[in-house]
Amino acid sequence: DQQVKQNSPSLSVQEGRISILNCDYTNSMFDYFLWYKKYPAEGPTFLISISSIKDKNEDGRFTVFLNKSAKHLSLHIVPSQPGDSAVYFCAASAIKRGGTYKYIFGTGTRLKVLA
Amino acid sequence: EAGVTQFPSHSVIEKGQTVTLRCDPISGHDNLYWYRRVMGKEIKFLLHFVKESKQDESGMPNNRFLAERTGGTYSTLKVQPAELEDSGVYFCASSLDGIQETQYFGPGTRLLVL
Repeated sequence: DQQVKQNSPSLSVQEGRISILNCDYTNSMFDYFLWYKKYPAEGPTFLISISSIKDKNEDGRFTVFLNKSAKHLSLHIVPSQPGDSAVYFCAASAIKRGGTYKYIFGTGTRLKVLA
Repeated sequence: EAGVTQFPSHSVIEKGQTVTLRCDPISGHDNLYWYRRVMGKEIKFLLHFVKESKQDESGMPNNRFLAERTGGTYSTLKVQPAELEDSGVYFCASSLDGIQETQYFGPGTRLLVL
């Protein structure tokens, strides 16, 4: 049973427009959420994160929104650039007893930004 | 500062053989994680070391997988004997502090079991 879901396997956006990537989760104990970007043959690279005490975090062209009541988060990229073309993974975590801390990932969304 | 490194980058072995993957975390990072991604699926947690101790190995698929981190520096993940379903990309990540600290990933080892 997947606790973190990215229901759109792919997304195409025109350069300069907004890209919106979505992620849903089921576990209400998650308290930290992240987005990673992955290029082919490379490891995931941290992009942006948000704590459950916030509903928005912004870093340059990237903004993550968290809607706890809907158990939904989204990543907005404005404006989109061809170099943003990659697979984007949503991840969530919850601190367990003993302080263990692992990420639960979604299946990824492949973003293609068209020039 | 050097990032997380993994060796080898690719490995092709036959079913029944043994393979050992290595991960060198970022220097000073006590927390080391192993993850695996099977083709097109999610990146799945395997286990978590704090220094040389296994903190959480709930994601290890079965006893054919053995992870070690002697001395609390680099880690190895051995698969013995390998099965077809073990194919995938094995990622290692490290973090400075286990509590809501960003995990930095290595480039992964692509394992193909024939």
